[in-house]
Amino acid sequence: AQKITQTQPGMFVQEKEAVTLDCTYDTSDQSYGLFWYKQPSSGEMIFLIYQGSYDEQNATEGRYSLNFQKARKSANLVISASQLGDSAMYFCAMSTRDTGRRALTFGSGTRLQVQP
Amino acid sequence: DTGVSQDPRHKITKRGQNVTFRCDPISEHNRLYWYRQTLGQGPEFLTYFQNEAQLEKSRLLSDRFSAERPKGSFSTLEIQRTEQGDSAMYLCASSPLGLAGASDGYEQYFGPGTRLTVT
Repeated sequence: AQKITQTQPGMFVQEKEAVTLDCTYDTSDQSYGLFWYKQPSSGEMIFLIYQGSYDEQNATEGRYSLNFQKARKSANLVISASQLGDSAMYFCAMSTRDTGRRALTFGSGTRLQVQP
Repeated sequence: DTGVSQDPRHKITKRGQNVTFRCDPISEHNRLYWYRQTLGQGPEFLTYFQNEAQLEKSRLLSDRFSAERPKGSFSTLEIQRTEQGDSAMYLCASSPLGLAGASDGYEQYFGPGTRLTVT
């Protein structure tokens, strides 16, 4: 079975500082994908970044980077230079060939609050 | 706007009534997914279509839930005989068809969701 664990229910960060949101995963599949989504209070899930299990380099997308440590089964999201608009729920998710043909398994999320 | 759209955005219904939600995916996306999200939790996968074929439906929560995608374009999710426990946000997502042998790396684009309240 696939499982995503996000152990930080809430995080605070000062504007312009960097923050790391933790994510660990569990799967027996050798081929999988790891995703991070942002969900603002409006409710829409916004795709941020993707990391494939065979990718050797950590993914980066603008201010977002994914710290992928395969042996530890962790896929932490790093947000650099936080902005007030980054305040939202953040979900880590995984897809494998077992999860309903590439359906996503989500963690319980981390609420990030950026303080001025 | 060429994103995923869902209708209605909000639905209030009485227990025992049937409800139907609609999802229009991004036009060139072959795959369409339905998720349910309850308060304080991440989305939970329900079912998945590739074109008009429903390839995974074992995760539907009960036989009161059904989904269709008759022409491979829009999809509907129906809940019969609603219960108070069905109150949740129902999310639809779409993604393009991945290349054979590629990792599961095609991000899903989500719609704004339909918030269902069963009274």
